[in-house]
Amino acid sequence: DADVTQTPRNRITKTGKRIMLECSQTKGHDRMYWYRQDPGLGLRLIYYSFDVKDINKGEISDGYSVSRQAQAKFSLSLESAIPNQTALYFCATSDLNSYEQYFGPGTRLTVT
Amino acid sequence: EDKVVQSPLSLVVHEGDTVTLNCSYEVTNFRSLLWYKQEKKAPTFLFMLTSSGIEKKSGRLSSILDKKELFSILNITATQTGDSAVYLCVINTNAGKSTFGDGTTLTVKP
Repeated sequence: DADVTQTPRNRITKTGKRIMLECSQTKGHDRMYWYRQDPGLGLRLIYYSFDVKDINKGEISDGYSVSRQAQAKFSLSLESAIPNQTALYFCATSDLNSYEQYFGPGTRLTVT
Repeated sequence: EDKVVQSPLSLVVHEGDTVTLNCSYEVTNFRSLLWYKQEKKAPTFLFMLTSSGIEKKSGRLSSILDKKELFSILNITATQTGDSAVYLCVINTNAGKSTFGDGTTLTVKP
């Protein structure tokens, strides 16, 4: 089984809809991250969480919110999706000491 | 503002060539630099560097960090078509923030 899983893997939604992307991990890591990747660009950090009670904005948090329901679960929400949020979204985890990040397979989101 | 710049942005070589990818950075409270390889899926971890001058090696790939001049290089020798990918450099800070470069797209032709 994969250590970091994301659901859904693909999603097409309409402008204005609320959508949630979910991430689960079995690595026992405290730290979790949400990134988005756009064609021709690197990964950009949306939000990160160091533990269940700690949530931090990343580089591009506007239009997004997150919830850390448990150590193993970190969800990303788009309250009112817009077309420029069409992207590939990655969840990642890391432990306290190494900072080596483990990525999920990605969620491809299309907003029409 | 933390910044990570990778160069070149894209590179086309032939099998057997040696390539050097560059990553320069300006960050506050540097902790580590990581290299990832990304094909058409999630990034794959390659190296993590924390100390200057110590080369990390894995097969045909190697990397080194210079904390004085604020850069790292990733070398790939005897390139193969399977090395074609986007190579990402990321800096982690002591505050736990990660900043990614835009990546270098490497294409290896047969």
